[in-house]
Amino acid sequence: DTGVSQDPRHKITKRGQNVTFRCDPISEHNRLYWYRQTLGQGPEFLTYFQNEAQLEKSRLLSDRFSAERPKGSFSTLEIQRTEQGDSAMYLCASSPRQGHIQYFGAGTRLSVL
Amino acid sequence: DAKTTQPPSMDCAEGRAANLPCNHSTISGNEYVYWYRQIHSQGPQYIIHGLKNNETNEMASLIITEDRKSSTLILPHATLRDTAVYYCIVRVTLSAQGAQKLVFGQGTRLTINP
Repeated sequence: DTGVSQDPRHKITKRGQNVTFRCDPISEHNRLYWYRQTLGQGPEFLTYFQNEAQLEKSRLLSDRFSAERPKGSFSTLEIQRTEQGDSAMYLCASSPRQGHIQYFGAGTRLSVL
Repeated sequence: DAKTTQPPSMDCAEGRAANLPCNHSTISGNEYVYWYRQIHSQGPQYIIHGLKNNETNEMASLIITEDRKSSTLILPHATLRDTAVYYCIVRVTLSAQGAQKLVFGQGTRLTINP
């Protein structure tokens, strides 16, 4: 499968714990996006990487959230001191250098108890 | 700050054409219209996009009005597997490097009935 891969697919954690999600974009896609989707709503933009540089962050991305893409390939999204309001689907998308279509992974569903 | 308006839900009989409308009256001259769909528990899937001409691919057709204030996505022969939430999106440019964030609304929940 050469699509966008996200791991894990599901994560259940207790309030206050830290969690980390991974996204592997389509090979050679230099642009990578993170979105968050809560129940019944459309996805909301969180942050954008071009290669290893994080070029844009939404105000939705509080100080407890951090994203990295150290070598310009895979990316991680970490949430520290999780809260119940962080429960959502976290989606990753990638697009090629010359293209504009974003290809999404299946997402990581986070449940904070 | 979604720039599009869609009906919350629609039904269509299997085998018939599904026509999904979208209003984007504030669209700018250089903004594209994108359509994505999301099947339950999956990530959004790209369907089609257009600027001002009608477009067709293996999945669907996109009809954009001459004033570009609205569009219609057409699934010519709907199947049960087309049941999904369909999002009409106007692309938002983020930076000089050409990055875009997609601003999703709540979409249209399309149900294909046997």
